[in-house]
Amino acid sequence: NAGVMQNPRHLVRRRGQEARLRCSPMKGHSHVYWYRQLPEEGLKFMVYLQKENIIDESGMPKERFSAEFPKEGPSILRIQQVVRGDSAAYFCASSDTGLGNQPQHFGDGTRLSIL
Amino acid sequence: AQSVTQLDSQVPVFEEAPVELRCNYSSSVSVYLFWYVQYPNQGLQLLLKYLSGSTLVKGINGFEAEFNKSQTSFHLRKPSVHISDTAEYFCAVSDQGAQKLVFGQGTRLTINP
Repeated sequence: NAGVMQNPRHLVRRRGQEARLRCSPMKGHSHVYWYRQLPEEGLKFMVYLQKENIIDESGMPKERFSAEFPKEGPSILRIQQVVRGDSAAYFCASSDTGLGNQPQHFGDGTRLSIL
Repeated sequence: AQSVTQLDSQVPVFEEAPVELRCNYSSSVSVYLFWYVQYPNQGLQLLLKYLSGSTLVKGINGFEAEFNKSQTSFHLRKPSVHISDTAEYFCAVSDQGAQKLVFGQGTRLTINP
């Protein structure tokens, strides 16, 4: 499967725990975007990364959330000390050039549930 | 800041009827426009995109959309829908020079037999 791969598909955490969401972009893509979809809402941009660099994190909450895209391996979205309001679907997308005219290809998402 | 408004949260139609899903965006600068479809428990799949040129763009699954700069709209249409078109549809925009997508709230299309 050469598409965007996200894992896990479903993740359950208790309040105060850490959540780690992984994203492997399409083959040949070096630009990764993370979006969050709250129930009954559209997707909201969180962060844009290129290999080893954060390019735009204007949509990231100031605390508890971080993202990385190392030289080797998948991109990771990390949420520390999760709260109920973090329950959402988190989608990763990738593109090959990072230009606005290139469509982003989406994974199937990670559905995070906080108990 | 850029914003996208999808005027209908839900659209029920009968099978084989035509459908239009409305989308308006706020920016007056040059933009790129996209429609994505989301089937239950899946990610988003690109239906079509407008980058430049002809204002009528054709996409997959028989969908098309028309870019109207004066009305800042990008409505999605299909002349005859099928049960398999039941899904959530999202309009999205990116400013030229910006990489992130700004999405509308989504329109749930329900096809009745």
